[in-house]
Amino acid sequence: DVVLTQSPFSLPVTLGQPASISCRSSQSLAHSDGNTYLNWFQQRPGQSPRRLIYKVSNRGSGVPDRFSGSGSGTDFTLRISRVEAEDVALYYCMQGTLWPHTFGQGTKLEIK
Amino acid sequence: EVQVVESGGGVVQPGGSLRLSCAASGFSISDQWMSWVRRAPGKGLEFVAKIKQDGSAQYYVDSVKGRFTISRDNAKNSLYMQMNSLRAEDTAVYYCTTSGGAFWGQGTLVTVSS
Repeated sequence: DVVLTQSPFSLPVTLGQPASISCRSSQSLAHSDGNTYLNWFQQRPGQSPRRLIYKVSNRGSGVPDRFSGSGSGTDFTLRISRVEAEDVALYYCMQGTLWPHTFGQGTKLEIK
Repeated sequence: EVQVVESGGGVVQPGGSLRLSCAASGFSISDQWMSWVRRAPGKGLEFVAKIKQDGSAQYYVDSVKGRFTISRDNAKNSLYMQMNSLRAEDTAVYYCTTSGGAFWGQGTLVTVSS
């Protein structure tokens, strides 16, 4: 199975400051169809996951433009340009290239 | 408005069975691979099973193979999962989602306990 390793595990951030989460894959996530199926999700306490980014760098519907994704192959990054209080949540990367699809272990963003 | 509503969770003894249902509205599931994802207490998210648009192919994570069966009824815009021989480690919130993760339900809690 593809292992996704996120870092850091915990991310304390000052309001208004940027934040960055890394996701490294044990295998290349480039699919034979030319796409790379690496998505990012946000899960607030008591809520369902919400897709932020799909196929590496495409923002989901209604997602603020302070969220951005980048990367290729095995190394990917989620960036938040200016953290807001509502961003407190668990963040997961997820690969949909190979079955079983897998998630990273999660990164907990908190306000410093 | 897009809505995804899971049902069918509950408390069941080890070895028992449950059938989860997922009713979607505001989009057609017939265009989508559909999946069940779970989150066990204190753990991360895990894909359990997925099914092709026309139901002709299903994939399962190794830990549920032979015990769980995913199915769909596109006419009813609904997804299902029959869960047999349940184990304590199957205890989790189960979510219905499109395989790309665009739409999620609120989840249904399955507790396997004697």
